[in-house]
Amino acid sequence: DVKVTQSSRYLVKRTGEKVFLECVQDMDHENMFWYRQDPGLGLRLIYFSYDVKMKEKGDIPEGYSVSREKKERFSLILESASTNQTSMYLCASRQVQGSYEQYFGPGTRLTVT
Amino acid sequence: GEDVEQSLFLSVREGDSSVINCTYTDSSSTYLYWYKQEPGAGLQLLTYIFSNMDMKQDQRLTVLLNKKDKHLSLRIADTQTGDSAIYFCAEGSNNDMRFGAGTRLTVKP
Repeated sequence: DVKVTQSSRYLVKRTGEKVFLECVQDMDHENMFWYRQDPGLGLRLIYFSYDVKMKEKGDIPEGYSVSREKKERFSLILESASTNQTSMYLCASRQVQGSYEQYFGPGTRLTVT
Repeated sequence: GEDVEQSLFLSVREGDSSVINCTYTDSSSTYLYWYKQEPGAGLQLLTYIFSNMDMKQDQRLTVLLNKKDKHLSLRIADTQTGDSAIYFCAEGSNNDMRFGAGTRLTVKP
């Protein structure tokens, strides 16, 4: 089974702090994704990565950056956390062949106070 | 951009069938997906259908695709309380995947 893990299930940070969210997948998938999930808005894509050291902006990249130094790990960085970044953050990965389905981690619920 | 739309809420009684509907706009989508999210968890792939298929059945789940109308549905037969969750419709290809806002299914005993 594909396993996608995220470093924290719950996180509380203060406004202005730098926040790192880590995601690791164990299936050698090329593509990795970061979404945020808010009630009534569904999933919105923040950034994605096609491969190591490659990244592309999604629909809502403002206030975020990412890092992918190794194939299995994709990090989301909030340079200076703000209260409007309080959300559920979901990481996903997928292979580039077959039916393109994405496999999701359990999510990190981030609260910025 | 392209949109995937689904109703936000559905309530059914235990033992009834549930039908969750979805419309999408990107005619180039190769696959259509249904994901389930239980409280406090990530999304779990339930099933998917290739865009040139009309129907796919998997135990209690039936997916219907009307490509002409860009309409996708998920039918859950004999709905159980454990089926209570948020169900996301998604369309995708090798380049992209777009999700609906999710339908919260509540199953009443």
